[in-house]
Amino acid sequence: DARVTQTPRDKVTEMGQEVTMRCQPILGHNTVFWYRQTMMQGLELLAYFRNRAPLDDSGMPKDRFSAEMPDATLATLKIQPSEPRDSAVYFCASGLSWDTQYFGPGTRLTVL
Amino acid sequence: QKEVEQDPGPLSVPEGAIVSLNCTYSNSAFQYFMWYRQYSRKGPELLMYTYSSGNKEDGRFTAQVDKSSKYISLFIRDSQPSDSATYLCAMSLQGAQKLVFGQGTRLTINP
Repeated sequence: DARVTQTPRDKVTEMGQEVTMRCQPILGHNTVFWYRQTMMQGLELLAYFRNRAPLDDSGMPKDRFSAEMPDATLATLKIQPSEPRDSAVYFCASGLSWDTQYFGPGTRLTVL
Repeated sequence: QKEVEQDPGPLSVPEGAIVSLNCTYSNSAFQYFMWYRQYSRKGPELLMYTYSSGNKEDGRFTAQVDKSSKYISLFIRDSQPSDSATYLCAMSLQGAQKLVFGQGTRLTINP
């Protein structure tokens, strides 16, 4: 049963620290999305990639967030420096097309 | 104002009841409409997918799209405790290739 995996599942860090979240898409999926979910804003798209190339990162705060796909089996989302307002659950999703997305279990980030 | 509005609930109903979940939207150009189900501490999973207007049925689930009213609905018949989850609507513009999500409605089915 192929699944999207995300690490770490939970992360607690202090303000100002760098945070790196990792995602392994389902093998063969060429489209990868990063989302952020909070109680106030719901699920928001941060960035997405097709064939490892970034297609849209308009939802991402550019000054502190960066997203990359070093290879087809790994996507990363970095926050540097982290702030308390970044506390949220971050989801990665992958698919063969934009309209069929399989979500990972999420990384729950708490910035103190 | 958000592009997609969804009552966050919580909504609590007895087992066996018919559940109606709804979203309204402001952009009349949305063409693709989806419903996702999210269990606690899990990622969302696609439940229903509709293009443009009309109804779609899958087992106990029915999705309706009313583009004239900019309103979509998800009906759950014979609700079960295992249906307890957060339900998120999502929609997309033609060619946009990305989804805009509602805030989600938290649903509890009581045995």
